[in-house]
Amino acid sequence: NAGVTQTPKFRILKIGQSMTLQCTQDMNHNYMYWYRQDPGMGLKLIYYSVGAGITDKGEVPNGYNVSRSTTEDFPLRLELAAPSQTSVYFCASSSTSGGSYEQYFGPGTRLTVT
Amino acid sequence: GIQVEQSPPDLILQEGANSTLRCNFSDSVNNLQWFHQNPWGQLINLFYIPSGTKQNGRLSATTVATERYSLLYISSSQTTDSGVYFCAVAQIYNQGGKLIFGQGTELSVKP
Repeated sequence: NAGVTQTPKFRILKIGQSMTLQCTQDMNHNYMYWYRQDPGMGLKLIYYSVGAGITDKGEVPNGYNVSRSTTEDFPLRLELAAPSQTSVYFCASSSTSGGSYEQYFGPGTRLTVT
Repeated sequence: GIQVEQSPPDLILQEGANSTLRCNFSDSVNNLQWFHQNPWGQLINLFYIPSGTKQNGRLSATTVATERYSLLYISSSQTTDSGVYFCAVAQIYNQGGKLIFGQGTELSVKP
């Protein structure tokens, strides 16, 4: 199992550009999450999904969009990038079966908006 | 919402020393995880431990759910243990079980 994979690893955007961060998991997990981590801080939830076709907002959703058309993929779309979106983005997944809610994280995407 | 507090914020150790990191949380939870974020930014799952005690090599963790705290023990520390240790908790029926992270303990192990 590759676990949770994210692409790209690094990206530099100009203000106003758009991009999609890709996230794929091969563990057949029903729950998937997008978090962002600002320097010196813990992670904060942007969006989450409890299954294909179902998404909902987290704490910091403004400026982002998501979709979940398959169990495996959960892309995060940035529209009109702003300097405040400079951060490290982590995708995670978990299963709610078997009584364990452990979340598994991808390696992260480091995004700089200038 | 749930508050998560970690202590100490910073810790400097000589190689071979032992340490205890603490995580206090303000409400009952279904999920508690400890992570190590290495100097390259990667988040490594250490323990999934909503209650009880677990051990993995030189690391062990204990969560006392009724008293709302968890402890991470590092024994015989090595320079590769350096990085930031995060505690994170979740309530499964709150926003899909989103993890709420503490501010972390930054550990530096000197040779």
